Amino acid sequence: AQTVTQSQPEMSVQEAETVTLSCTYDTSENNYYLFWYKQPPSRQMILVIRQEAYKQQNATENRFSVNFQKAAKSFSLKISDSQLGDTAMYFCAFMKHRGSNNDMRFGAGTRLTVKP
Amino acid sequence: DGGITQSPKYLFRKEGQNVTLSCEQNLNHDAMYWYRQDPGQGLRLIYYSQIVNDFQKGDIAEGYSVSREKKESFPLTVTSAQKNPTAFYLCATNPGYLGGEQYFGPGTRLTVT
Repeated sequence: AQTVTQSQPEMSVQEAETVTLSCTYDTSENNYYLFWYKQPPSRQMILVIRQEAYKQQNATENRFSVNFQKAAKSFSLKISDSQLGDTAMYFCAFMKHRGSNNDMRFGAGTRLTVKP
Repeated sequence: DGGITQSPKYLFRKEGQNVTLSCEQNLNHDAMYWYRQDPGQGLRLIYYSQIVNDFQKGDIAEGYSVSREKKESFPLTVTSAQKNPTAFYLCATNPGYLGGEQYFGPGTRLTVT
C-alpha cells in the first residue's frame, strides 16, 4: 500500500518570504502522479500543483514550485513571495492509475500560517 | 456552472440516528468518492464508485453505506454502527483519465451528540 508522510504538522513564514513544505511517499510503482492541495479556512480543497512521475522537470505554477526527487521518493512544495492568502492546510497526495479508478492517498497535512 | 454540491454544510444528529449526507455533481464524471477528514489524519477514503450501480469499500467503510443510482448523485449514510461519526466529510469526483485529479465539494461538518 502507498503511504504519504508529511513530517511538518505546522509551519509559519513571514509575508513575502519563501517556505518549503516536505512530503515523502512510499511506493513500488514506477508511474504515478503527485499533487499538492490547499485547504483554506473555508475548507474547500483546491489543487495547487501536480507532477507526473515520468517527467523529470519540476512543475511550476506561478509562486508555487515543487522539488521532485523520484529516487528519494520526495516531493516538496516551495511557496515564494508568501502572501496572507496562502494561510491554509496543505496536503500532499499520491495517485496511481488503476483502470478508471484514480486511487488518491493523502498525507496528514501541514498547517501553514503566513504572518504579516 | 459545473461543480459539486454537498448539503447541508453543517449537520447535527443525536447518537443512535442514521443520517444521510448529500453529494451531487454536474461535471459528468463517472467516478465519485467519499472522504472523512479528522484533525491530524488527513483524508481517509470511505467508499468510492466508478460507475452507476457499483461501488467499493475504501479504508474505513465500517458504519457507512452508499448508493449510486444516478451518475450525478452519491449519497453517504452514516449509520448508528459508526462509533465516532463526528467529522468533516468531503465528496469528490474524478474524470477518470490518466492522471486526472480529484475535484472536491465544499464538505459537510457532521456533529453527533
